[in-house]
Amino acid sequence: NAGVMQNPRHLVRRRGQEARLRCSPMKGHSHVYWYRQLPEEGLKFMVYLQKENIIDESGMPKERFSAEFPKEGPSILRIQQVVRGDSAAYFCASSPRTAYNEQFFGPGTRLTVL
Amino acid sequence: AQSVTQLGSHVSVSEGALVLLRCNYSSSVPPYLFWYVQYPNQGLQLLLKYTSAATLVKGINDFEAEFKKSETSFHLTKPSAHMSDAAEYFCAVSETNNRLAFGKGNQVVVIP
Repeated sequence: NAGVMQNPRHLVRRRGQEARLRCSPMKGHSHVYWYRQLPEEGLKFMVYLQKENIIDESGMPKERFSAEFPKEGPSILRIQQVVRGDSAAYFCASSPRTAYNEQFFGPGTRLTVL
Repeated sequence: AQSVTQLGSHVSVSEGALVLLRCNYSSSVPPYLFWYVQYPNQGLQLLLKYTSAATLVKGINDFEAEFKKSETSFHLTKPSAHMSDAAEYFCAVSETNNRLAFGKGNQVVVIP
């Protein structure tokens, strides 16, 4: 059973470009979470999705950030018009259901904005 | 809202010595608590979790943690440090909607 997969592992964008980060959850997992890790800080929750639904996006910046988890295919975190402050590691996690189950983390995508 | 405090961003320990990482939480409901380890340029791996069963929780690689409700603590220990334990360790508490709130982490350095 493959683990959580994220791609690309490293992404370089210039200011103003768009960044698309992909996450394929573990087989059988229908819950996906995105976290952001800034330098010298722990991980911060961004958004929680189930298939075709956003359950909790209280950690998402109000502008330029969006997320989806379609019926088919990976979950996508999209950042429009990137700025240098968006440079961070973005981690995806998945779980089979709610009620405080363990979340399984992917290897992360390290975004660098030039 | 639940939160986690980890003091001391960098922790140095001699090889073979006790590893002790402190975690204090705040939660308005019975908490579910986790310790994760992150090796350089990798994702997080679960070490152990507390989900209201036994208060002393054993995890992988000889790590264990004890839940103490009176002290709102969930400290992580390992009797004897190995060089391979050099990594960053995060304590986390489960919030509403199963999202995790993480502490700022402890970077562990093992001295030969």
